[in-house]
Amino acid sequence: KNEVEQSPQNLTAQEGEFITINCSYSVGISALHWLQQHPGGGIVSLFMLSSGKKKHGRLIATINIQEKHSSLHITASHPRDSAVYICAVASNTGKLIFGQGTTLQVKP
Amino acid sequence: DTAVSQTPKYLVTQMGNDKSIKCEQNLGHDTMYWYKQDSKKFLKIMFSYNNKELIINETVPNRFSPKSPDKAHLNLHINSLELGDSAVYFCASSQGRGSYNEQFFGPGTRLTVL
Repeated sequence: KNEVEQSPQNLTAQEGEFITINCSYSVGISALHWLQQHPGGGIVSLFMLSSGKKKHGRLIATINIQEKHSSLHITASHPRDSAVYICAVASNTGKLIFGQGTTLQVKP
Repeated sequence: DTAVSQTPKYLVTQMGNDKSIKCEQNLGHDTMYWYKQDSKKFLKIMFSYNNKELIINETVPNRFSPKSPDKAHLNLHINSLELGDSAVYFCASSQGRGSYNEQFFGPGTRLTVL
């Protein structure tokens, strides 16, 4: 079992739908990152959070440290949101440990 | 200006060859990383350098040798390439040595070993 598990692995949505991607982890962490990998391969950082909730545009990320769980929400999804979303935890050993990614396809 | 750049973008080579991938960042960061993304798109840390000092060295074959000539550059040299080395290699940088800092990724180098 991976130390960082994401669900679902694949997600297809219709444009406008509300999307939730979940991330659970089993190690001690200092922070959690959400990353987006575009179809062209580039990786960008969306959020880094250690508690509570952060919002950026239509994206919202939450974390519950006690439950070792984080969610990434996308409101009013759009085809340009189609990408792989990756959860990564900053472990107490000093390295990033990645989930296996969630492939999102938003259809018009 | 590109923040984190890697060269080459694509690298196709024969088994047994030695090759290098270069990474440069112009963000003034003091920490740089190499990650490997396998065919299932799973990312894993390989190395991390802080101010030219190796701080993370995962269980990577010693055919892989990182070199940091200065804190803006982190190169990856691979000896005796094997089929299993085929992957996408990402360089990244951050300010501060903790992985809780935001990381900026390069565009990736797709290595294909034939």
